[in-house]
Amino acid sequence: AQSVSQHNHHVILSEAASLELGCNYSYGGTVNLFWYVQYPGQHLQLLLKYFSGDPLVKGIKGFEAEFIKSKFSFNLRKPSVQWSDTAEYFCAVNADGGATNKLIFGTGTLLAVQP
Amino acid sequence: DGGITQSPKYLFRKEGQNVTLSCEQNLNHDAMYWYRQDPGQGLRLIYYSQIVNDFQKGDIAEGYSVSREKKESFPLTVTSAQKNPTAFYLCASSTYRASNYGYTFGSGTRLTVV
Repeated sequence: AQSVSQHNHHVILSEAASLELGCNYSYGGTVNLFWYVQYPGQHLQLLLKYFSGDPLVKGIKGFEAEFIKSKFSFNLRKPSVQWSDTAEYFCAVNADGGATNKLIFGTGTLLAVQP
Repeated sequence: DGGITQSPKYLFRKEGQNVTLSCEQNLNHDAMYWYRQDPGQGLRLIYYSQIVNDFQKGDIAEGYSVSREKKESFPLTVTSAQKNPTAFYLCASSTYRASNYGYTFGSGTRLTVV
């Protein structure tokens, strides 16, 4: 069965620290990849997405992610986090080549940034 | 503004009762989805619908039912057969090519069984 793994369940960082959140998926075919963010009290928002082309994608608020096909990974990065980045982050995969619109989500990573 | 409206925001239900959660979108999206969010388990797909009058079961459809009579609306009924219904429920919609564009989410309904 298709699955998405986010290895870090809770991450605590100080402001200005660098961030990398891991995401791995278990599907060998064509994939489309997403990172969503849920700020406290707000609804899920799309941070960035990859479906073809340059494997390094840039999103909103200084976030980026790199698709490494050989590692089945799509890790999220930010060079310097801010207190306002405190949120829950979800990786998601569409792993059926677009035959349906189903997204499979990871279990999420709670990021707390200390001022 | 275009978006997805879920109502109510909070819902309390007695055991043994069915309850219906509303989801309406004015984005002219073809596809709509229901997810359940539990702490530490991420989002799990309950049902999805790619066109009007058609829907498919997701990974955890047991104890739930849906309808898609209008493009704008995709209500979810949590039946008494759902063993553990207390959760946060999220509705989403997408264009037909969600694989390229991703989903738009509603603000959710928190259901508590008392």
